[in-house]
This record gives sequence, C-alpha cells and structure tokens, in this order.
Amino acid sequence: GEDVEQSLFLSVREGDSSVINCTYTDSSSTYLYWYKQEPGAGLQLLTYIFSNMDMKQDQRLTVLLNKKDKHLSLRIADTQTGDSAIYFCAERPGGYNKLIFGAGTRLAVHP
Amino acid sequence: DTAVSQTPKYLVTQMGNDKSIKCEQNLGHDTMYWYKQDSKKFLKIMFSYNNKELIINETVPNRFSPKSPDKAHLNLHINSLELGDSAVYFCASSQRRESVTGELFFGEGSRLTVL
Repeated sequence: GEDVEQSLFLSVREGDSSVINCTYTDSSSTYLYWYKQEPGAGLQLLTYIFSNMDMKQDQRLTVLLNKKDKHLSLRIADTQTGDSAIYFCAERPGGYNKLIFGAGTRLAVHP
Repeated sequence: DTAVSQTPKYLVTQMGNDKSIKCEQNLGHDTMYWYKQDSKKFLKIMFSYNNKELIINETVPNRFSPKSPDKAHLNLHINSLELGDSAVYFCASSQRRESVTGELFFGEGSRLTVL
C-alpha cells in the first residue's frame, strides 16, 4: 500500500537543530522527497534522496534514509525563524511521477 | 515569470454551483497534476495528465472533471459543489513521467470555500 506518516508538530529554539521524521510503506519507491510549504504558498522542493543512498547533505540540510525500516529524516542545522513552515515527506512509488505525501510536520521556531 | 499559475486564488461559492479552476505552466513540462489539500493539510493526488492524456485518476467523484486543452494547461471543473469540496487545490507540473528526480513544481493554490 501507499502511506506516508509524519508527526504533526515540532517546536525548536532558534539556533538548535530540528529533526523531522517520516515513515513510508512502498518499498518500490525510487526517490524520497522533502517539500516545504510556507503560509499561503505552494510546496517547494527542499531536497530529495535516491533510494540507494543512506545520506545526503545539502548545506544546513541532512537527509537520512533507512531503507530497511522505511524511515526518512530531515535534519535542519542552526534552525532559523525563516525555517518555520510545514515540511512534507513524499515517496515516489515505482513508475509514474505520482508522489504520495505525508500529512506534513509544522515546524515552529521560537527565540 | 510565474512557472505554474492558477486562477482564481480564492473562490467562494454556494453549494450546488459549478465552478472551474484554471492552471497554466510555462516550464515546458509534459505532465501536470491536480492535488487537493484539506483543512488538516493532507495532500492527495486527484489527477495527472501527460501530454494531454489522463494517466492518473484517483478515486475522485465524477463531479470533478479535468480538461487539458494542451500540455501547458490543465483545468479543473467541479459540478454540483458540496461542502466537503472546500479545500485548497494545487496544480503542479513535472518533466516527462520518466524524469529522473520526479520533482513537482507547484502553483500557489486555489482556496475553494463552499457555503
């Protein structure tokens, strides 16, 4: 089946690291994604990871993939107030460009 | 230049009415999508078109009818609107369906409120 789960809320202090977790179900997923949605806006791709990778780092972002447990995480180092948004995990089951999204994790950054 | 643009951005209407949302992309992509985001932010795919051909049709009521006059446009028409149709509808596009990364480019959303 196709299902992506994430915790709904995360609150962190400015300057700390944020870790957002996600689990997915489709083992055929070739790519996994993190999208960011700011208030009143559409989703924007933050980063993605290919299923044969364990880790991907892109500036303040680190993606970890545990394919055995079907677990994906996004770490944001030195979290800033501008990082406050909803973060969506998504899997791409084998085949079409159909993405299955999680419910989104709302990240709140406070001083 | 806006890559994926949707109109209208806001739509308030009465139950039973028929309404349309339009979407256009200027990225030269072959594939376009409609996603529905409900009040709890769940984002679900509704339809996908590749080069004007319907390739994904999730379990969406027949009251929803997508139309793709060309590969740069994908419109969504909704008949007999119901309260449960209230949501934000996002249009998106991507390169060929076999594209390597499958990244979606989203519009800003159209917030539909049915009274």
